[in-house]
Amino acid sequence: NAGVTQTPKFRVLKTGQSMTLLCAQDMNHEYMYWYRQDPGMGLRLIHYSVGEGTTAKGEVPDGYNVSRLKKQNFLLGLESAAPSQTSVYFCASSYRGQSNQPQHFGDGTRLSIL
Amino acid sequence: GQNIDQPTEMTATEGAIVQINCTYQTSGFNGLFWYQQHAGEAPTFLSYNVLDGLEEKGRFSSFLSRSKGYSYLLLKELQMKDSASYLCAVPNSGGYQKVTFGIGTKLQVIP
Repeated sequence: NAGVTQTPKFRVLKTGQSMTLLCAQDMNHEYMYWYRQDPGMGLRLIHYSVGEGTTAKGEVPDGYNVSRLKKQNFLLGLESAAPSQTSVYFCASSYRGQSNQPQHFGDGTRLSIL
Repeated sequence: GQNIDQPTEMTATEGAIVQINCTYQTSGFNGLFWYQQHAGEAPTFLSYNVLDGLEEKGRFSSFLSRSKGYSYLLLKELQMKDSASYLCAVPNSGGYQKVTFGIGTKLQVIP
């Protein structure tokens, strides 16, 4: 049981390049999330999805797009990378239902924009 | 909106007890989570409280007071491996599928 898997684990981009981060979960969770984590700022929600084919903006959505074509996958895209997007990106998933459902996190993607 | 406050850093001695506090403000309460995050790793779930009182899970306990908007995580018999950040988090009142995280308390356990 792999849980939540993120690819890639590390990436260095040049300003203006594009890339897609992939998140896959095998727990049949309805909810999926993308966060970024920066020193002194904690986890901030970028986008989230409550089900296949649906996405919504979080706290810091600018410069990112997402898609959830399949229930198990949640993609995060950077169309034109900027140095301010240098961060550690975490994907998470959880069951729908009661508020007591914890989020399960992937191991993170460390992204540097030069 | 949601607002969470917790200390940035704490230091404690191996074998001792440490209490990590969290205060929160939310327009509608749907429980409170604690997560542990070792450096360079993903956060992992520790506990969830929705009713007032203390819940114990081995060396870790979590306390909640809804009237005071306050929670704490109590770690007993500290071990070196407990050195990590501890994140307090509350589900959003408008739809609990979203969760607001505190910035985390970095705990250093020293010999």
